[in-house]
Amino acid sequence: GDSVTQTEGLVTLTKGLPVMLNCTYQTTYSPFLFWYVQHLNEAPKLLLKSSTDNKRTEHQGFYATLHKSSSSFHLQKSSVQLSDSALYFCALSHNTNTGKLTFGDGTVLTVKP
Amino acid sequence: EAAVTQSPRSKVAVTGGKVTLSCHQTNNHDYMYWYRQDTGHGLRLIHYSYVADSTEKGDIPDGYKASRPSQENFSLILELASLSQTAVYFCASSGTEQFFGPGTRLTVL
Repeated sequence: GDSVTQTEGLVTLTKGLPVMLNCTYQTTYSPFLFWYVQHLNEAPKLLLKSSTDNKRTEHQGFYATLHKSSSSFHLQKSSVQLSDSALYFCALSHNTNTGKLTFGDGTVLTVKP
Repeated sequence: EAAVTQSPRSKVAVTGGKVTLSCHQTNNHDYMYWYRQDTGHGLRLIHYSYVADSTEKGDIPDGYKASRPSQENFSLILELASLSQTAVYFCASSGTEQFFGPGTRLTVL
């Protein structure tokens, strides 16, 4: 079956530094990849999505590129802010319109002053 | 913006009791989902539905039932609640992306 792996459980950074959160996946289907962000005591919200190989997608200063050759969809930001502190999930689907999502375990990003 | 609401927002239940979690969406979406979230884990799919009066098993359906009486409403039912079902439960609906409700924090004692 499908699987998503996020290798970092916890990332702590100082404000203004760059960040990369890792996401790799396994599927036998054509993949749709997503990043969701969940702030404390809130619902997950969609941050980025992509199904196009080698094309960078950006939103709210975050960006990611789907690389099918390496089955990766790493999330990056050039300069983190205190408000970026949250839980970040990578997720995989077969069908962006109706498909089930398979989530990774998530990475907690903590940004310090 | 698309809206998904859940009730109750939190609940304390006794072991062996019956628990019903409700979800309502005003997005006119066909697909609805129930997930559970445990500390240190991602969201895991319990049940989902793509049409009223029909539900499908997700990845961890054991101990849960689901009901979709209308396009707007999707319930998760724990017939005999157990300690291991203490978690936060999220409902979602999807069109081109999934929209999540605010979550229900369930504590089984």
